[in-house]
This record gives sequence, C-alpha cells and structure tokens, in this order.
Amino acid sequence: DAGVIQSPRHEVTEMGQEVTLRCKPISGHNSLFWYRQTMMRGLELLIYFNNNVPIDDSGMPEDRFSAKMPNASFSTLKIQPSEPRDSAVYFCASAQGAAYEQYFGPGTRLTVT
Amino acid sequence: KQEVTQIPAALSVPEGENLVLNCSFTDSAIYNLQWFRQDPGKGLTSLLLIQSSQREQTSGRLNASLDKSSGRSTLYIAASQPGDSATYLCAGSRTGANNLFFGTGTRLTVIP
Repeated sequence: DAGVIQSPRHEVTEMGQEVTLRCKPISGHNSLFWYRQTMMRGLELLIYFNNNVPIDDSGMPEDRFSAKMPNASFSTLKIQPSEPRDSAVYFCASAQGAAYEQYFGPGTRLTVT
Repeated sequence: KQEVTQIPAALSVPEGENLVLNCSFTDSAIYNLQWFRQDPGKGLTSLLLIQSSQREQTSGRLNASLDKSSGRSTLYIAASQPGDSATYLCAGSRTGANNLFFGTGTRLTVIP
C-alpha cells in the first residue's frame, strides 16, 4: 500500500484566501484523523472520522475550519478565510479502527502570508 | 485536558550506547500508547503500539513499556546508531476516545 497520501505537500497563500488540503487514507482503514503541528503547540488533533462520520471536532480552532469525508477514500480540510496564524504543518492519519495503530501521511506545510 | 511530558527534551549520545526516553501523562487513564519517530521535515513513523491489555512491546532494538498506574512510559533503544537520530514522540489515547494526545518530543542525536 502507498500509505496515507496528502496533497499538496506545500501551500503558500495570502491571508484571506481559501485553502483546501486533501487526504487519501490507507485502503481498508475506517478511521481518519486531521492533526496540526506548530512549534508553539506541538501536535494537536483537529477532527476525526469513523466510517466517514465526524466523531469529534472539538479541536477545530474556529468556524473558519471545516472538514469533510464524502467517502472512505477521501477527506478534505478547508480553511476559509486563511490567516497567518494558520501557518503550520497539517497531518492526516488513518487507522483500522478506534483502538488501532495510527499511520501518518507526510503532511502539508501551509504558509499564510 | 491530558498533558504529556517527555524527558529529556534533547539527548546526544555516542554511537553504540543504550538509552531511555521517558514519557508521562497527567491523566493515568491511558487506553493505548504509541511511540513515533519524526525526521526533520517529514511525517511521523509509527514505532510501537501498546494496546490496552498490554504492558510492553518490542521491535528489533526498541522496547516500549507502559505503567498505567503511574501514567508513565519508557522507550528503550539498544545499541544506538546514527540512523536513530530523530525526534521521538509518545502519544496516548483515553478509554473510549480515539484521539491521541502527543508529547512535545525528545530530539535524539547519535554521534558516530
């Protein structure tokens, strides 16, 4: 398997623009997680899905962030409008189920100027 | 909120040395515990998973243990190699929850 796939790998955008990050989980995994990593706060969970259904979105910073999982093989994380403080590395991870090992994608490095 | 502390924050050792990385949780009600390594500019690579019914896991030169009563975990690396240089992160989940709480990491440098 190719592992968790994320795109784009790097994104540079101006403040106020919409940003969409994409993730393809490992085939057969039914749990998907979105994390954000910054120097100040480390790794934080934003939202996770089980069987395409959002279970916990309490980590989503504010209404500017939204995530969808229209099917078992694709998820998006959208930021609209983007702000400089959103600059971070965003990771997607997937797992076979709730109690199983999580596998991370390579991340998307987002820079908002 | 679960707080996860990793000690030391950074460690530099000569090649061949055995070493121990520490991780502690403020809430000892840990369900699963996972150790990762992260290379600069890269994603996280899963090293070991200790599931709820387990206390220890081993993979090659790595051994991880979990003491649920104290909320502490250790990662033991035997015969360290320069290729082990990376940041090591521990992460735990609580019973009934899927989300992982991450530590701040230990940056390991193995000197040839």
